[in-house]
Order: sequence, then structure tokens, then C-alpha cells
Amino acid sequence: DAKTTQPNSMESNEEEPVHLPCNHSTISGTDYIHWYRQLPSQGPEYVIHGLTSNVNNRMASLAIAEDRKSSTLILHRATLRDAAVYYCIRRGGADGLTFGKGTHLIIQP
Amino acid sequence: SAVISQKPSRDICQRGTSLTIQCQVDSQVTMMFWYRQQPGQSLTLIATANQGSEATYESGFVIDKFPISRPNLTFSTLTVSNMSPEDSSIYLCSAKQGSSGANVLTFGAGSRLTVL
Repeated sequence: DAKTTQPNSMESNEEEPVHLPCNHSTISGTDYIHWYRQLPSQGPEYVIHGLTSNVNNRMASLAIAEDRKSSTLILHRATLRDAAVYYCIRRGGADGLTFGKGTHLIIQP
Repeated sequence: SAVISQKPSRDICQRGTSLTIQCQVDSQVTMMFWYRQQPGQSLTLIATANQGSEATYESGFVIDKFPISRPNLTFSTLTVSNMSPEDSSIYLCSAKQGSSGANVLTFGAGSRLTVL
């Protein structure tokens, strides 16, 4: 049970912002929200994570709802290289990640 | 973050044989995990590789089929035993430093097995 809900696929145009939503309505107070992405023929790679506050790094921004039941991964300016499957994952502690189906992001040139 | 190397990157195997996949991390890590990704599917956690003790398996995975070793803090192996075509998958090793929910996982590129 992945315990997160994401759209199966989304499409965006190159050089435009992309907002990838994730629902995690049963999240506990100590669960972090992680985002990973998997490019074709590669292992997953870390994108960003947060607990309560919005987070920014060089790859993306993470906006977390005030009630923590949902979050949005923001790619500020999508490139063709951002085409991948994006996984939103909630995790508590010492366990491995439980992957859902993720969102297949398609970038149109 | 740690860099993970997996060997082999791909292999074609005959039904009934076994194959061992190696995972080497370039630094000491607290935890190591093995995942399976069947064609067109998401990743499924097989087990947590525990250093110096038996691995902890997820529901649906057993030690006889997927024996795992972790002799030290940088190395682990996964064996896929008595393979059948249903075992054709990508097997991925991952690792993290620390046991907090904030700790990030790093993944290897995967080992793509095809069983004929």
C-alpha cells in the first residue's frame, strides 16, 4: 500500500512550469514527503523532500499543504530531460521506500 | 551522496539456474535495500539487507528464493534462485545513511535479468 495518490500521467511543454500533485491524506505527523524520479533505463533519483514547510533546491520546489494531506512538486522550467516517472512517497523512519505507480511526465518540445 | 555500482548490469539466464547480483557502495551506509521492478511496473521492495544478520523480507518474498548477504557496510548481494521467466525483471540496490525519515535513498542503475 503506497498510501499516496498521483495522476497516472501529465503532459507539459518545454520551458514551462510543471505542477505535479500528490495526495497523502492519511499521513502521520512524523512522516516525511519524498519525491523521486526515474528517467528511462535508470534507477530512481532523489528530487526533494520535506516535512511541513515548503522546500526549494536546485532541481525543484516542494509545496506542502498546511494540513499536510497533499503536496505539489514544482519544476520551474521543464526541459526534455525532465521527462520521467515521478514518485511521491511518504516515509517514517528506517524502512525502505514504498513506491506507488507514480506520474509519467511527458514534455513536449 | 553515496554512489552505488551494481554487477551485472544485465544478463540472460536459463530457466532453473541462479544468479547473484552484487551491490557496492562507495561509502559506508547504514541501510541497504533490494527492489524488483517488473516490466512496465513500479518498484517493489524485496528486503532490507542487514549487516551481519539475516535480511528482513517483505511479504511475498522468501529467503529461499532471494537469499541476501551483507557482510559489511558497503557491500551486499542478492541471489535470484531457481529462476523462471516470471523472474525477468530489473533488480535494484539502494542505500541510505541514517535511519531517519528525512534520510535520502540512493539507487543503483539496476540489473536487468531476462530468463528464458
